[in-house]
Amino acid sequence: AQSVAQPEDQVNVAEGNPLTVKCTYSVSGNPYLFWYVQYPNRGLQFLLKYITGDNLVKGSYGFEAEFNKSQTSFHLKKPSALVSDSALYFCAVRDFGDNFNKFYFGSGTKLNVKP
Amino acid sequence: DADVTQTPRNRITKTGKRIMLECSQTKGHDRMYWYRQDPGLGLRLIYYSFDVKDINKGEISDGYSVSRQAQAKFSLSLESAIPNQTALYFCATGRGGSEAFFGQGTRLTVV
Repeated sequence: AQSVAQPEDQVNVAEGNPLTVKCTYSVSGNPYLFWYVQYPNRGLQFLLKYITGDNLVKGSYGFEAEFNKSQTSFHLKKPSALVSDSALYFCAVRDFGDNFNKFYFGSGTKLNVKP
Repeated sequence: DADVTQTPRNRITKTGKRIMLECSQTKGHDRMYWYRQDPGLGLRLIYYSFDVKDINKGEISDGYSVSRQAQAKFSLSLESAIPNQTALYFCATGRGGSEAFFGQGTRLTVV
């Protein structure tokens, strides 16, 4: 069965330090992987995606993510965190084996960036 | 105007009442989704549709129904609302293998 795991409910980091938000997935076929961000009282905003090609993908607001097929991971990273990055982050997967019918979301990770 | 519009944004209703949440999109996407968000549980799929004649249940469809009135419109109904349906509801659209685009959400409270 398809699933996405975000093992950390919350990540705390100081402004200016690098940040990582972890995501692992399980699919029957080839995955399409996504990261979304949610600010309070807002919908989910798309950050970046991995479809194929280079394992390191770059997205909005300086975020990037690395696809690791052997570890079935797609961790979100940023070299230098900003206080304004504080939000709820969701990892999601679409399964090629499922004909890309559905998005499967993780439970979310709250990122707190302290000044 | 937003690409994916949900109405209402907030709603308080009483147990047993019927309520409809509406979603419209201007992105021209064929696929539309309804998700429910609860703290600590992420987003769970209620229903999804690939076109007007195609409706599919998601993982938590019990107690909900949907209608795809047109390619651009997808509504979610709670036939008889109960308190544990209190949640944040999101409509989303998508196409092929692309990312999903989300509405701003509807905060529903059932008292």
